Amino acid sequence: DAGITQSPRHKVTETGTPVTLRCHQTENHRYMYWYRQDPGHGLRLIHYSYGVKDTDKGEVSDGYSVSRSKTEDFLLTLESATSSQTSVYFCATGQGTAPNSPLHFGNGTRLTVT
Amino acid sequence: AQSVTQLGSHVSVSEGALVLLRCNYSSSVPPYLFWYVQYPNQGLQLLLKYTSAATLVKGINGFEAEFKKSETSFHLTKPSAHMSDAAEYFCAVSDYSSYKLIFGSGTRLLVRP
Repeated sequence: DAGITQSPRHKVTETGTPVTLRCHQTENHRYMYWYRQDPGHGLRLIHYSYGVKDTDKGEVSDGYSVSRSKTEDFLLTLESATSSQTSVYFCATGQGTAPNSPLHFGNGTRLTVT
Repeated sequence: AQSVTQLGSHVSVSEGALVLLRCNYSSSVPPYLFWYVQYPNQGLQLLLKYTSAATLVKGINGFEAEFKKSETSFHLTKPSAHMSDAAEYFCAVSDYSSYKLIFGSGTRLLVRP
């Protein structure tokens, strides 16, 4: 949907290693978001971006950083992966013409930290 | 702070029966409310959204939701369930000052033949 590609789709990594997840969009949407999905918690916002080089924290940002050097790409980095970061990560984009603009989601990245 | 509560992590209905998925929100300002659906191994898709134009909102696939300010609710309904409706449903809230969407914990809908 909305031309959102997440890579990789699956990843297994070891505790303590850095991991970078990539989100690429082709819709020129201004807003981009990273959520994590865990059973019983729904989706929780990690970080979001409201423009190139403009980012802000969400509700579960500890242990994560993001970067957005181009409109189309939004990177999520786990600085030192922990088992609690095993989750499914979703990228979303929003046109941002109004706060009620719907979000468009990628198909997710399943990350396992062993 | 805004929040969303979805009552019932799992709802099971028979094919052809009424679907009712409950959502209550908390917001200090007039909210924007959304329902999204997630099919297995996919991202979320927008079902419908409330933006204060009308209290009864119609969405895709025969779903609708009614905004009730007095009850701070935005329940999702469908008159007759179909097997293809089996999925996880998320309620979400935003407001006019934020471009962040806050999600509920989700309700998994099971449809029995």
